[in-house]
Amino acid sequence: QSALTQPRSVSGSPGQSVTISCTGTSSDVGGYNYVSWYQQHPGKAPQLIISFVTQRPSGVPDRFSGSKSGNTASLTISGLQAEDEADYYCCSFAGSYTWVFGGGTKLTVL
Amino acid sequence: EVQLVESGGGLVQPGGSLRLSCAASGFTVSTYGMHWVRQAPGKGLVWVSLIKSDGTTTTYADSVKGRFTISRDNAENTVYLQMNSLRGEDTAVYYCATDSRWSFTNWGQGTLVTVSS
Repeated sequence: QSALTQPRSVSGSPGQSVTISCTGTSSDVGGYNYVSWYQQHPGKAPQLIISFVTQRPSGVPDRFSGSKSGNTASLTISGLQAEDEADYYCCSFAGSYTWVFGGGTKLTVL
Repeated sequence: EVQLVESGGGLVQPGGSLRLSCAASGFTVSTYGMHWVRQAPGKGLVWVSLIKSDGTTTTYADSVKGRFTISRDNAENTVYLQMNSLRGEDTAVYYCATDSRWSFTNWGQGTLVTVSS
């Protein structure tokens, strides 16, 4: 149950796009299409923004998109807005009804 | 509207026990799997435990296996996390969350557990 690997921080200017990577193994990210992403603002509970690798829940802007290739999943945020500044976490099903999160990425909007 | 409210956190000495509660409203806990996820101060999210919708299948992270027990009371529409043999590294905000589509769909506001002498 080792944590998935995410960059500690990324940054971008308003209107730009940023991509956050999430690297696991064939036992988690690479083995299942059950990768999800969460946004967490300071002092708040996490919020689901992507499930099943690419699917956005109702109410999540289409600026947020997900993808996966092999053992690495990615979250892309296009048209960056100030309110996107937050921590982002990936998560993957890891078999036997267990899950593993990434270490989190702090997004700074310059 | 789905709402989850955690309670039961507090200060406990190493080796002590605590029971967290997650009261649900707007849905029936028996229709969803329910998770506990924790977050140590300034750190990332860590999955802790799942109770499936069948109410009998439970799973745990290796770090808490044998010390924590997840359970559910359908009549109270509440999920619990019994935490025994607590250690300093268990200090965290504990969130409950619904499982839907293999992801954590709805989250509570969290309850802080501090393990310290």
